[in-house]
Amino acid sequence: DGGITQSPKYLFRKEGQNVTLSCEQNLNHDAMYWYRQDPGQGLRLIYYSQIVNDFQKGDIAEGYSVSREKKESFPLTVTSAQKNPTAFYLCASSIGDLILAGNTIYFGEGSWLTVV
Amino acid sequence: GIQVEQSPPDLILQEGANSTLRCNFSDSVNNLQWFHQNPWGQLINLFYIPSGTKQNGRLSATTVATERYSLLYISSSQTTDSGVYVCAAETGANSKLTFGKGITLSVRP
Repeated sequence: DGGITQSPKYLFRKEGQNVTLSCEQNLNHDAMYWYRQDPGQGLRLIYYSQIVNDFQKGDIAEGYSVSREKKESFPLTVTSAQKNPTAFYLCASSIGDLILAGNTIYFGEGSWLTVV
Repeated sequence: GIQVEQSPPDLILQEGANSTLRCNFSDSVNNLQWFHQNPWGQLINLFYIPSGTKQNGRLSATTVATERYSLLYISSSQTTDSGVYVCAAETGANSKLTFGKGITLSVRP
């Protein structure tokens, strides 16, 4: 089945440790995105990538890093510099730029990160 | 940037009832989508609707772009309709969707 796979679903991290969340898609989409969701707030964009080997900061990029070495993969690293990392993280993809008519965004199942 | 406001924040229905969920946005939009977030957190696409009206089964959506709002209609609600309904909009300026906070719908048997 085509889709977006995120792993792990649940992750616990000690303070001061980096952690990497995996996101893989087999939809042949060019664009990929990482969002963060906190209780009572709308999704906020962390990073996005419109094409392989290129990515842009979103609205809350501080304390996070990404890479886009392959079209199907867009891993997110939550670094120890992220002051409040406990959240629900969602990866998404779209066939192309969301500016273009008809381009819709599709989401993975999400990853819950808890810092202990 | 664009502001996206959804109302009401919470809604409780009896099974079989109809409902209307609203999404207001502060600027003209190039892309507007509705999602249903299930209890496990995944967002499921419902409609891509920057303008006009669409229907899919018991769900339909209308966006009046000139008045900057979109409505999601749920008819004959079922308990499986429970969850959070989220709208997101993009203005055509920066390729980024802005998300509303969502509307939590509870359908009781």
